[in-house]
This record gives sequence, C-alpha cells and structure tokens, in this order.
Amino acid sequence: NAGVMQNPRHLVRRRGQEARLRCSPMKGHSHVYWYRQLPEEGLKFMVYLQKENIIDESGMPKERFSAEFPKEGPSILRIQQVVRGDSAAYFCASSPNQGAHNTEAFFGQGTRLTVV
Amino acid sequence: GESVGLHLPTLSVQEGDNSIINCAYSNSASDYFIWYKQESGKGPQFIIDIRSNMDKRQGQRVTVLLNKTVKHLSLQIAATQPGDSAVYFCAENIGNFNKFYFGSGTKLNVKP
Repeated sequence: NAGVMQNPRHLVRRRGQEARLRCSPMKGHSHVYWYRQLPEEGLKFMVYLQKENIIDESGMPKERFSAEFPKEGPSILRIQQVVRGDSAAYFCASSPNQGAHNTEAFFGQGTRLTVV
Repeated sequence: GESVGLHLPTLSVQEGDNSIINCAYSNSASDYFIWYKQESGKGPQFIIDIRSNMDKRQGQRVTVLLNKTVKHLSLQIAATQPGDSAVYFCAENIGNFNKFYFGSGTKLNVKP
C-alpha cells in the first residue's frame, strides 16, 4: 500500500512562472490537506479538500494560490506568478473518510519549491 | 532581501538516556494531539497521538503526557537512539476534521 505520493520532489521556477504541485493520497483516503513549511519552522495549514470540494481554505493566500481535488486524479496545488517568498516545502497529507472523528493524517515527502 | 527562519530549540542527549520534549499548545478547545517526527528532507511521520479525555498514552519507547490545565504536552523517549535524531513537532486539532496546528518544533540531537 503506497503512501502519500507527491511530485515533483524538487521544483525550480523563475519569478512570474507558475508552479503545479501534485499529491496522490493513500489508497482509500478521500481527505487531502496541504501545508507549507519554511526552513526551521513548523507546518502551516493551507487548505483542506475532499473529492471535488474545498472544505477549508482559510490558510491559503487569497491571491495566486489555488487548490483542487478532482473526482479522478491527484490533488493539485497551483501557485501562479511565483515570487521568492513562495520558496518553501509544501507537504500534502491524507486521511481516510471517517466522518466527524479526528484521525491521524499521513504525510507525503513534500515538494521543495525554489523560486529564482 | 532573504528571509531568515526561526532557529529551532535544540535538545542534546546522550545515547541511551531518556529524552523529554515539551510543547505548549494554544487553544483550550483542542481535543486531539499528535506528535510527529521529521527527519531532514522528509515529511512528518506519526509517532503517537492522544485525545483530550486522556492524560497519558504509551507506545513503544514513547510516552505522551497531556496537562490540559496548563495546556502542555510532552513526549518522552526512553533509551534514546541515534536514529531518534530529528525535529519533533506537536500538532493540535480542534473540531471535526483534520485541520492541525503545528508547533514550531524541537530538534533532538542524540550524541553517540
């Protein structure tokens, strides 16, 4: 049973380009979360999605950032017109569909975005 | 200019000693907590969890203690090994879905 898969592992973009980060949750998981981590800091919640729905995007910047989790295929975190401040590690986590109960979230290995 | 991240607090212990990592959480309504271990270049890895109706939970070589009165969480690692060297984060969760708030982390350095 493969874990949470993120790709690419490393991504370099020039300022103004678009970055697309992909996350395939664990098999059977329908909840996906995206977090951002700056060096030497903790993870900051960005967005929580279920299939075809954004449940909570309170941690996502209002501009340039968007996320989706289509019925088929991976979840995508999209950053338009990247700036140097977007350089960070972006982690995806998934959890099974267990309704209202708190459950463990499993993390992927992350995508390290560098904006040059 | 270039941004500088916060420096993580570091705990250095001798191999074989016990380690205690502390965490203060922010919201008295938090009802579920997880300790994660993050090795360099990797994603966070689940270690142990505890719900707010418990004070203590034990796993293999690890124990989590929860003090709701002072909003404090600790992770105890018995007989610390070099492979335990990593950054440890506590995460708190409120409500009905897995929106976790992470602490800033503690770097554990195990000396052989």
